[in-house]
Amino acid sequence: GNSVTQMEGPVTLSEEAFLTINCTYTATGYPSLFWYVQYPGEGLQLLLKATKADDKGSNKGFEATYRKETTSFHLEKGSVQVSDSAVYFCALSDPSSASKIIFGSGTRLSIRP
Amino acid sequence: EPEVTQTPSHQVTQMGQEVILRCVPISNHLYFYWYRQILGQKVEFLVSFYNNEISEKSEIFDDQFSVERPDGSNFTLKIRSTKLEDSAMYFCASSKGSGSNYEQYFGPGTRLTVT
Repeated sequence: GNSVTQMEGPVTLSEEAFLTINCTYTATGYPSLFWYVQYPGEGLQLLLKATKADDKGSNKGFEATYRKETTSFHLEKGSVQVSDSAVYFCALSDPSSASKIIFGSGTRLSIRP
Repeated sequence: EPEVTQTPSHQVTQMGQEVILRCVPISNHLYFYWYRQILGQKVEFLVSFYNNEISEKSEIFDDQFSVERPDGSNFTLKIRSTKLEDSAMYFCASSKGSGSNYEQYFGPGTRLTVT
């Protein structure tokens, strides 16, 4: 079946460090890929998305590239800030569904000043 | 900026009781969803709702669950006869349209604890 696997947390980094959160997927068909972020006490927010192979999604300094050959969508940021502390979810749109999003288990990121 | 709201933020109930989780989707959205996240596990799709009927549901969404849009603003998830394993964070979401071109906007969640 369709699924998403992302690196387990928690991840703790110092401010201005480089961030990578790994995400791989399994899907039949051609899903869209997403990264959602959940700040403390808030709902899931769409951070970025990519709809086809080799697309790069970007937002707020974060980037992820849809790699069909490696079935990956790793999240990167060159220089993290304390305000980036949150839980990050990799997800895909289920190609067999008009509405279902399939999520990874989430990675908690903590940034030290 | 419009946002999805959910009440209550935390609900504690005894096993066997009925609970209703409430959501107010964004006002011009037409599609509504419920997801849940059991502690330490993945966020899972439960159901989608459009035009006053269920458009899709997962295998988790059995006869114990029901959804309703009782008026023009609220969208509810009812769980009849709750079980311990229903303890989870329940997220409501809404979107203008269906499919991956339309962003699903999520609420902050209701934490349900069944004792």
